[in-house]
Amino acid sequence: DSGVTQTPKHLITATGQRVTLRCSPRSGDLSVYWYQQSLDQGLQFLIQYYNGEERAKGNILERFSAQQFPDLHSELNLSSLELGDSALYFCASSVPHATVSGGLNEQFFGPGTRLTVL
Amino acid sequence: AQSVAQPEDQVNVAEGNPLTVKCTYSVSGNPYLFWYVQYPNRGLQFLLKYITGDNLVKGSYGFEAEFNKSQTSFHLKKPSALVSDSALYFCAVRESSGNTPLVFGKGTRLSVIA
Repeated sequence: DSGVTQTPKHLITATGQRVTLRCSPRSGDLSVYWYQQSLDQGLQFLIQYYNGEERAKGNILERFSAQQFPDLHSELNLSSLELGDSALYFCASSVPHATVSGGLNEQFFGPGTRLTVL
Repeated sequence: AQSVAQPEDQVNVAEGNPLTVKCTYSVSGNPYLFWYVQYPNRGLQFLLKYITGDNLVKGSYGFEAEFNKSQTSFHLKKPSALVSDSALYFCAVRESSGNTPLVFGKGTRLSVIA
């Protein structure tokens, strides 16, 4: 158990809908990262937050957004969903570092949310 | 731009035999290199990392990796494979300087056959 929790585990929804994925980092970790894992694209970095502020953006669509709250949990919002958004969405956290490189420290991954868009 | 290549989608090895999962990388500066493992329906688990120092890095579950700067490689190895090592393995890299995210390879599926 990495200490990172994600809810829900599974989410099934229809095209055009909006969903919110939730992540709670390990206790004390200030950095939260979101990744999308699909069969054809592999593991893609979406976005990073550090202590409530956005630090870096990767291959995140404009239909997607995220935020990190004062209690450090994070939410990833996906809107106007398309079939191609079906994927596993992972959250990861790392020990406090302001930079997206996270210094020398590895990231700890949550179990993921499997999103299916029908 | 940094990148990682895992040239093999699938590696099959007999239990008890040594295993190697290959990874090559490309960065403009010095690399930080990582290996993660993903078991079915689970998140990624950290195995080991290379930051600096000895080229041979030892990690969890008996795995080790060898950093080769001239060949820009960071292959994952284990002397004797177990059936329980069967999983998806990801190599990842980031530059040691600058503010760049961790870039993952596409993954290599390891199957250890009893």
